[in-house]
Amino acid sequence: GQNIDQPTEMTATEGAIVQINCTYQTSGFNGLFWYQQHAGEAPTFLSYNVLDGLEEKGRFSSFLSRSKGYSYLLLKELQMKDSASYLCASMDSNYQLIWGAGTKLIIKP
Amino acid sequence: ETGVTQTPRHLVMGMTNKKSLKCEQHLGHNAMYWYKQSAKKPLELMFVYNFKEQTENNSVPSRFSPECPNSSHLFLHLHTLQPEDSALYLCASSQGTGGAYEQYFGPGTRLTVT
Repeated sequence: GQNIDQPTEMTATEGAIVQINCTYQTSGFNGLFWYQQHAGEAPTFLSYNVLDGLEEKGRFSSFLSRSKGYSYLLLKELQMKDSASYLCASMDSNYQLIWGAGTKLIIKP
Repeated sequence: ETGVTQTPRHLVMGMTNKKSLKCEQHLGHNAMYWYKQSAKKPLELMFVYNFKEQTENNSVPSRFSPECPNSSHLFLHLHTLQPEDSALYLCASSQGTGGAYEQYFGPGTRLTVT
């Protein structure tokens, strides 16, 4: 079957670094997406990886290892506004997104 | 802000009511989606439309009936719902299907079935 695993909740301190892990098993693979969703708001796109390695975009970076079925989202210099849920989704061979349940990130001062 | 709007934002309905959710995208996209989001569960894809044609129906009960009159508008008609249908219903759009296209989401309709 198809499955995405990510931690339910994480806590980090303002100004610190946090890494949110995601493992995936899908029928075929056409890339890995990360979305951010603030409470009561729409999910918004953060990153897309289809090749192995690290993609950096400002304070946020995303890593992919296709052989391990593994990705992580790295958030640096954490700010209070980064408190949100982070959704991992793998795109299968039919270009359909298979979603994880999301990781709720709590930032403390 | 994302270019996808949804109305209403909140809806409370009884099990015998009929209501409709509306979604509109202003991005010129060709594909539109309905998702169900329940607490602590993954997003569940319900329906996909590409160029107004339904391409996916993920075993959704018939009490949910989608309608896509054009590429910019998508409706979800609801009737005789159950309390377990209470959830956040999200609409999304993308340039197309069949490719690694980013999806843009609306803010959702919070549905409560009493």
